[in-house]
Amino acid sequence: NAGVTQTPKFRILKIGQSMTLQCTQDMNHNYMYWYRQDPGMGLKLIYYSVGAGITDKGEVPNGYNVSRSTTEDFPLRLELAAPSQTSVYFCASYGGPGLNEQFFGPGTRLTVL
Amino acid sequence: EDQVTQSPEALRLQEGESSSLNCSYTVSGLRGLFWYRQDPGKGPEFLFTLYSAGEEKEKERLKATLTKKESFLHITAPKPEDSATYLCAVVTGANSKLTFGKGITLSVRP
Repeated sequence: NAGVTQTPKFRILKIGQSMTLQCTQDMNHNYMYWYRQDPGMGLKLIYYSVGAGITDKGEVPNGYNVSRSTTEDFPLRLELAAPSQTSVYFCASYGGPGLNEQFFGPGTRLTVL
Repeated sequence: EDQVTQSPEALRLQEGESSSLNCSYTVSGLRGLFWYRQDPGKGPEFLFTLYSAGEEKEKERLKATLTKKESFLHITAPKPEDSATYLCAVVTGANSKLTFGKGITLSVRP
């Protein structure tokens, strides 16, 4: 049982490049989330999903896209990377109300130069 | 819009000096409140979930409580290894949206 895995761990992008951050969970959780964390700013919700085929915007969705074709995977796509997207990105999964824990992945540290 | 405010922003304690961390919230339809611990360079680690006012949960030196407007994380006789950032988050809405506070950085001196 690996929990939530994220790849890559680190990445440096040039302005205007695109990339996909991968997130996979093996707990059969319906709910999955993408956050970014900037120093001193806490976790900001980018997108979330309540199940395969269903996604919704969080607080800071601009410049990002997501898809949820399976229960296990929830990739985050960055199109036309900008320096403002330099951050640490965390993926999380949650079984739903009454199922207690929300599990986080180890994070992806992204730098856009 | 759901809002979560944590205070103080930073807290420095002497080993053994008990204290409380506050998480106040303004939300519509609270479905749950989470507390996490985050160490530098790592993802948040789940501590507690609280669902209703009056609920309390304990784990080692930590005890979390919940009222209708706020939650407290009480730390009893802290040790240096309790030094970390403590985050709270609220779960709201039919889609279980999570909103985080900015966190409280706790330092415990030996």
